[in-house]
Amino acid sequence: SQQGEEDPQALSIQEGENATMNCSYKTSINNLQWYRQNSGRGLVHLILIRSNEREKHSGRLRVTLDTSKKSSSLLITASRAADTASYFCATDRNSGGGADGLTFGKGTHLIIQP
Amino acid sequence: DAGVIQSPRHEVTEMGQEVTLRCKPISGHNSLFWYRQTMMRGLELLIYFNNNVPIDDSGMPEDRFSAKMPNASFSTLKIQPSEPRDSAVYFCASSLVYEAFFGQGTRLTVV
Repeated sequence: SQQGEEDPQALSIQEGENATMNCSYKTSINNLQWYRQNSGRGLVHLILIRSNEREKHSGRLRVTLDTSKKSSSLLITASRAADTASYFCATDRNSGGGADGLTFGKGTHLIIQP
Repeated sequence: DAGVIQSPRHEVTEMGQEVTLRCKPISGHNSLFWYRQTMMRGLELLIYFNNNVPIDDSGMPEDRFSAKMPNASFSTLKIQPSEPRDSAVYFCASSLVYEAFFGQGTRLTVV
C-alpha cells in the first residue's frame, strides 16, 4: 500500500520561481527521504530528514517535517530548467529505521519552463 | 564505484517466455531491493535482501516471480511465464544504511 502520497501530481512553474511539493504519510516513521527521477533514469537520493528534525537544508533544497500531521514538504528555490523531473518522498517501512525497503508515493512531476 | 548496474536495459519478449533481470549492487552494500514502476501503480517494492538473505517478499505479485541473491555482488529477478501485465520498468537498488542507490532500470515489454 502507498505510504507516501505527494501532491500536487504535476507542477509547472517558470524558471527562477520556487517550487513546493508536499508529501503525506500514514504510519510512524524514523525518517523521510526525498528522491528525484529524471525521465528514463533511476531515482537519485536528495535529502533525508529524521523524525526528530523539523527542517533541513541542502543547497537550494529545503525540507520540512511535521510528524503531528504526518506530512513533509520539499521546497526548491530559484528553480532551473535542469530541475525538471519527478520528485518522490519515501518512508521507511518499519520502526527499525534501517533501509528495510522504502515505500514511495507516486511522485510530483515538476516542469520548469525556461 | 560504477553504481548499481542492471542488465539488460531493455527487454522485449513474447508472452509465456521466461525473463531474467540482473543486478550488481554497489560493493559493500548489505541490502538489495527490487522495485517495479508503472504509471498506474507507481513504484512498488517487490522483494528485499539483507546480507544475501531474502527478508520480505510480500510484494512479489505471484508465484511467477522469483528472486535470488547467490552472493553479495549479484541478484536476479525471474518471471516465468511472463504476461503482458508484467510490462514495467524494474529497478534494483542497494543500500548500506538509509539511502538507497538505484540502477538505471530494465524496461520490460511483454507482447
